[in-house]
Amino acid sequence: KNEVEQSPQNLTAQEGEFITINCSYSVGISALHWLQQHPGGGIVSLFMLSSGKKKHGRLIATINIQEKHSSLHITASHPRDSAVYICAASGNQFYFGTGTSLTVIP
Amino acid sequence: SQTIHQWPATLVQPVGSPLSLECTVEGTSNPNLYWYRQAAGRGLQLLFYSVGIGQISSEVPQNLSASRPQDRQFILSSKKLLLSDSGFYLCAWTGVSLDTQYFGPGTRLTVL
Repeated sequence: KNEVEQSPQNLTAQEGEFITINCSYSVGISALHWLQQHPGGGIVSLFMLSSGKKKHGRLIATINIQEKHSSLHITASHPRDSAVYICAASGNQFYFGTGTSLTVIP
Repeated sequence: SQTIHQWPATLVQPVGSPLSLECTVEGTSNPNLYWYRQAAGRGLQLLFYSVGIGQISSEVPQNLSASRPQDRQFILSSKKLLLSDSGFYLCAWTGVSLDTQYFGPGTRLTVL
């Protein structure tokens, strides 16, 4: 069993839809990260959070420490949001989920 | 501001050939450095990490090795590549507090 599990693995949405990606972890962590990997391979960090909720533009990330669960929400999705979204947990090292491949159709 | 460089961007190598991938970080000192591999359709796999010059920790037994000859330079090497070494190799750094991890642009390696 992986230390970090994501769901769904693949997600297709119509432009404008509200999207949720889920992440569960089984290790003790100091922070939970959401990363975005574009088709070319480059990875950027979207959020790092250790409690509560963070918002950046149309992206919202939440974490429930007691339940060891985090969600990434995208409001009013757009085709440019199409990417792989990766959840990572950091404690004494980083543990990565296998990613959620999101395709937003115009 | 901090930046991280990786080269080459793409590489096609025959089985049995050597490998050297380089990663350098600018704008910070004493970073934690990481090498990851992402095989096709799979998640990121931590290969090596380093908390200082000459200090390398290996996570996965394999025919790869890493070295950190300078504070902001991290090198991934192999003496003889295998087909299974094909993948996307990413270098990353964090501060000592293991906060946000910053990734390089990656090297796409194809072993034929």
